Order: sequence, then structure tokens, then C-alpha cells
Amino acid sequence: GDSVTQMEGPVTLSEEAFLTINCTYTATGYPSLFWYVQYPGEGLQLLLKATKADDKGSNKGFEATYRKETTSFHLEKGSVQVSDSAVYFCALSVSGNYGGSQGNLIFGKGTKLSVKP
Amino acid sequence: NAGVTQTPKFQVLKTGQSMTLQCAQDMNHNSMYWYRQDPGMGLRLIYYSASEGTTDKGEVPNGYNVSRLNKREFSLRLESAAPSQTSVYFCASSDPRTDTEAFFGQGTRLTVV
Repeated sequence: GDSVTQMEGPVTLSEEAFLTINCTYTATGYPSLFWYVQYPGEGLQLLLKATKADDKGSNKGFEATYRKETTSFHLEKGSVQVSDSAVYFCALSVSGNYGGSQGNLIFGKGTKLSVKP
Repeated sequence: NAGVTQTPKFQVLKTGQSMTLQCAQDMNHNSMYWYRQDPGMGLRLIYYSASEGTTDKGEVPNGYNVSRLNKREFSLRLESAAPSQTSVYFCASSDPRTDTEAFFGQGTRLTVV
């Protein structure tokens, strides 16, 4: 079945360091791919998404490119801030109804990022 | 801008007690979902509802029931709570016909003792 594998955490970086969180997936069909972020004590918020191969999602300085050939969607940011400390989840949408996504999301296990000043 | 609202935010139950988690969305979405979040496990789908009047099992449905009361509301019921159901529960909604993004509530932290 469909699955998402993301790098284990926790990840601890100094402010202004470069961030990469690896994410690979297994899926039938052509899923949409997402990165969600969860700040302490809160629900999940969409950080960025890509709906087809070679698309690049970007938001708040974060980027990820949908790579079909390597089945990857790695999250990157050039210079992290203390405020980026959170748990990051990679996810894919399950193919199904409506000619595309069924809406269900399959999540990786999450990567906790801590950024030190 | 309410989005997805869950109640309660926190709950402690004794083993064997029952309770219902409530969820409502005001975005006119057709699809709604219940996930549970456990340390090191990410989020796992319990049940979902693709439209009003339909519900389907997800990855971990055992011990739960759901009701799609109307288009706005989707409740999750634990009939006889067990310690293994200690978790953080998230409700989400989306409209897959127009956008694949799911919107999440703030979560319910449930402890079963």
C-alpha cells in the first residue's frame, strides 16, 4: 500500500543553518504531496504542497520539489530561525474518487526540529 | 475564521467509560476525517466520511464508531475506552474535488486511565 518514509529526528540546528528533511514515498497512481507543520500544542498546518511531478512547493522560505524519478519530496530551507522549531510531517494524498485524490492523507512519522539561537 | 473546531480539548476517562468527540467545520467541505497521533507513529486514519451519509474505515478503526450528522459535523465515539486509546485525536476536512489540502482542528488530548 501507499506509504511515506521521512528522516527520523530529532534534528537540532543553530539559527541560520541549512535545513534538509528527507521524505520518500511509495504510491500507486500520482498522489499529491504535502509538508505539514505542527507547532507545540497546536494542530497541523499546511506548509506547502505539490500536485504533480516536477512541481515545487514553497512557503515561508521552505521549498520541496516533487521528484517522481526518485519518489522523493525533501523539505529544505536555506536559513532556519528559532521560530521554525516544530514537528514537520510529510504526507501524500490517497488516489481514489473524484478522478484524483480521495482526500485521505498518509503521513510520515514526523521530524522534530529544534533551532537554537 | 473558525475552520475546524473540535471539542473537548482535553479529557481524562477511566477504562470502560464512553465518550464522544465532536467536530464541526464551516468550510462547506464534503469530506471529513478522524486521525489519531501517537509518539513515533505520525498520524493514522481512524475513519473518514467522503460525503454526508457515508463513512468508511481507515487504518485503525477498532474500538471506535463515527457519525456524520450532517455536512458540518462528524463525531467520533469511544464506546468502552481502553488505555491503548490514549492519544491526541485530530479532526480534519477537505474537498478533494477542488483542492487536496486538508484543514485540521486543534486536537483533543485524551488520556484513559
